[in-house]
Amino acid sequence: DIQMTQSPASLSASLGETVTIECRASEDIYNGLAWYQQKPGKSPQLLIYNANSLHTGVPSRFSGSGSGTQYSLKINSLQSEDVASYFCQQYYDYPWTFGGGTKLELK
Amino acid sequence: EVQLVESGGSLVQPGGSLKLSCVASGFTFSNYWMDWVRQTPGKSLEWIGEINTDGSKTNYAPSIKDRFTISRDNAKSTLYLQMSNVKSDDTAIYYCTRTHTYYGYFDYWGQGVMVTVSS
Repeated sequence: DIQMTQSPASLSASLGETVTIECRASEDIYNGLAWYQQKPGKSPQLLIYNANSLHTGVPSRFSGSGSGTQYSLKINSLQSEDVASYFCQQYYDYPWTFGGGTKLELK
Repeated sequence: EVQLVESGGSLVQPGGSLKLSCVASGFTFSNYWMDWVRQTPGKSLEWIGEINTDGSKTNYAPSIKDRFTISRDNAKSTLYLQMSNVKSDDTAIYYCTRTHTYYGYFDYWGQGVMVTVSS
């Protein structure tokens, strides 16, 4: 199985700050990567697919980048509604696997 | 508006069985692969498996293979997860998801249903 390692596990940031979350795959996943946001008590929601494509309706302050085994999610100008957990997922090879998640809180 | 509504979650004893359902609306259900994903109390996400558009092909995670069965009824726009010989490790929130047509990411998720395995 492809292992997905996310960092950091938790993060505290201020409103307006830029935040970056990293995801490392145990092998090359050829941009087969998605990012999800999960707000407290809610189900996950798709943010980014194919490593850098924004899902419909997602604010442009979210962006994804990376290639090979290293990927990142960046949130520009952090807003209060961005408080959530974030997960990466690879869909290059079965079984699809997720990162352990990053919990983002306001400082 | 795409909606996925799961039901059937409950408390079940170890070794028991349970069937979850997911009713879809707002899109042409028969055009999409569908998946089940679960989230454990520790909050990590685990892919369970998927089914193709006409129900003729399924793929499962090795951790649950041969215990869980995914099926669908396109006439009822409903996805199912039959769980058998459940273990305490199966305690989780179970999500029904719609899968992108060409890639294995999940573009819509249901609200989730809780399954607790305990004696």
